[in-house]
Amino acid sequence: DAMVIQNPRYQVTQFGKPVTLSCSQTLNHNVMYWYQQKSSQAPKLLFHYYDKDFNNEADTPDNFQSRRPNTSFCFLDIRSPGLGDAAMYLCATSRDAQGTDTQYFGPGTRLTVL
Amino acid sequence: AQKITQTQPGMFVQEKEAVTLDCTYDTSDQSYGLFWYKQPSSGEMIFLIYQGSYDEQNATEGRYSLNFQKARKSANLVISASQLGDSAMYFCAMQEYGNKLVFGAGTILRVKS
Repeated sequence: DAMVIQNPRYQVTQFGKPVTLSCSQTLNHNVMYWYQQKSSQAPKLLFHYYDKDFNNEADTPDNFQSRRPNTSFCFLDIRSPGLGDAAMYLCATSRDAQGTDTQYFGPGTRLTVL
Repeated sequence: AQKITQTQPGMFVQEKEAVTLDCTYDTSDQSYGLFWYKQPSSGEMIFLIYQGSYDEQNATEGRYSLNFQKARKSANLVISASQLGDSAMYFCAMQEYGNKLVFGAGTILRVKS
């Protein structure tokens, strides 16, 4: 089945230690998104790639970076995680970025910062 | 600007009964999409149903239907014959053409046996 895969499902890191989260998709979608979701809140969009074009949200901290080396893979890098970065990180994909295009989410990576 | 409102922080429903989760939205665009997602305690965001702003028929997907009232700007989710596995957080979301997906605050649904 076509799907969105995130690894690892759970990640523990230390304060200030860089961490990379991975997302891959077999849907061959053009757009890949990264969301941050804190407990009992709605997901918050960090950035997205439309093909190779990177689109950063204005309020996304510089501490968060992303790479998309090819259509299938996208990475979220947190350069110096703080305690406030502990959250669920969700990757999503969509065929296009119009209002009719459904976003399909991966299972998420739950990040703990010690 | 896009805005989504879910006024029910939590809902209870008896197993096998139907439940309606409310969602209202605000937009000045004519072209937009409305989505409902289910998020169990495991954290995965599961797509349930989609309604386009130009669709005249209400969307249905199995036990899920979307009661779309365009003039009132509401897009309520109806779950028929509730099951214990329906217990989860439910998010209503909207996307205007070329804009980002905006989520409501969510409604926690608990199905009682």
